[in-house]
Parts: sequence; structure tokens; C-alpha cells
Amino acid sequence: EPEVTQTPSHQVTQMGQEVILRCVPISNHLYFYWYRQILGQKVEFLVSFYNNEISEKSEIFDDQFSVERPDGSNFTLKIRSTKLEDSAMYFCASKRSGSTDTQYFGPGTRLTVL
Amino acid sequence: AQSVTQPDIHITVSEGASLELRCNYSYGATPYLFWYVQSPGQGLQLLLKYFSGDTLVQGIKGFEAEFKRSQSSFNLRKPSVHWSDAAEYFCAVGAGGGYQKVTFGTGTKLQVIP
Repeated sequence: EPEVTQTPSHQVTQMGQEVILRCVPISNHLYFYWYRQILGQKVEFLVSFYNNEISEKSEIFDDQFSVERPDGSNFTLKIRSTKLEDSAMYFCASKRSGSTDTQYFGPGTRLTVL
Repeated sequence: AQSVTQPDIHITVSEGASLELRCNYSYGATPYLFWYVQSPGQGLQLLLKYFSGDTLVQGIKGFEAEFKRSQSSFNLRKPSVHWSDAAEYFCAVGAGGGYQKVTFGTGTKLQVIP
């Protein structure tokens, strides 16, 4: 069964450094998402992406964050200058189409900012 | 704005006992409702979803959930819990429309004792 994959599984970085989290959505999916889960807290929506542009973003998704679909298969989340509070599990999700389709989540990337 | 409340942070049940996890949602229109399960260190796996139609939905692993519009609830049930069901369970609500970000509850951690 096709699945969403994410790399790396764990990323450790120094405060102020840039990080890029990578996701490969399911191949025929058209809608892409990033969520994050700070340890012990709930999963929070960051951004949705469709037709090569951001369709919605939360207030968490400030100017330090950006997303890109650089080719036909990858979907990336970039954090320009990481802060300690960016430490979290980041989940990528994708959906084929339509409002009734299900979002499929990847296994997550654990980001630790020191 | 949509929101989800899971009033039980932690539930402990004996193996073989029945289970009910509570979920209440707030959403102005007809909600799209989901239950996801997260095992330690793992991603989010969809257990079941409700979009319309029969208010009792069946999911994977023997789980079911019932949508009750009058109570704004979508409780998850399982008649006989197995030790492998120990995990964290998230109720979520999705907005209508193609982009459909998902808003998660804070989760209920299930412990199963022999």
C-alpha cells in the first residue's frame, strides 16, 4: 500500500540554523500538509499546499517557515532560523483530492533544536 | 472555528474489557470526523472516519464510532480491548472543502493491563 515517507526521522540542529524537512507524498495525491506536535501536546496544523501554492496557513507558520514542491515527488518544509521552541515532531500528510478524501500521514521527523 | 475536546487524558482498561473514548467537537456546519491512533514513536494511523450517511461507522482493528449530532459527539468504542491497542488516540475534525485542514484534540492515552 502506498504511504507517505519522511526524511530524516530525527534531525538535531543548533539554534539559528536552517533546516529542511523532506516528505514524499503518495504519488497521485494533490493536496499536501505539514503539521507539528510539540512533545506532550496535540497535533497542530501548520500549512496546506495545493496547485503549487499555499492554500491555508496557521499563525504558527510565520516568515521563518516556507514550503516547496521542488519536483514532482518531494514536498519540503524549511525553517530558516530555528528556535528552541521549534523542537517538535513534524508530520507531513497528503490527500488525493476532494473534501471527503482522507489525509494520510507520514511517520514524522523529530526535530531537536539545541 | 472548529475545535475538538477529548475530556479523558489517560484511560486504563483491562485486556478483554470494553472501551469507550469520548470526543466532542465544535463546528458550524456538517463536520468531517476522524479518529487516529499513534503508537509510541510512530506516525498517525487513521482508524475510521465519518463524512455522512450511517452514523455508526466501522473502522480497522475492530473499532467503531458513533456520530451524534445532538450531542456534538463522536465517541470511539471497542467491545474487547487487546494489549496491542495501548497507544494514544486522537479525535479530529476536518473542515469542508478541498483544502480541509484537520484540527486535532489533545489525545487520550490508553493503557491496557493484563
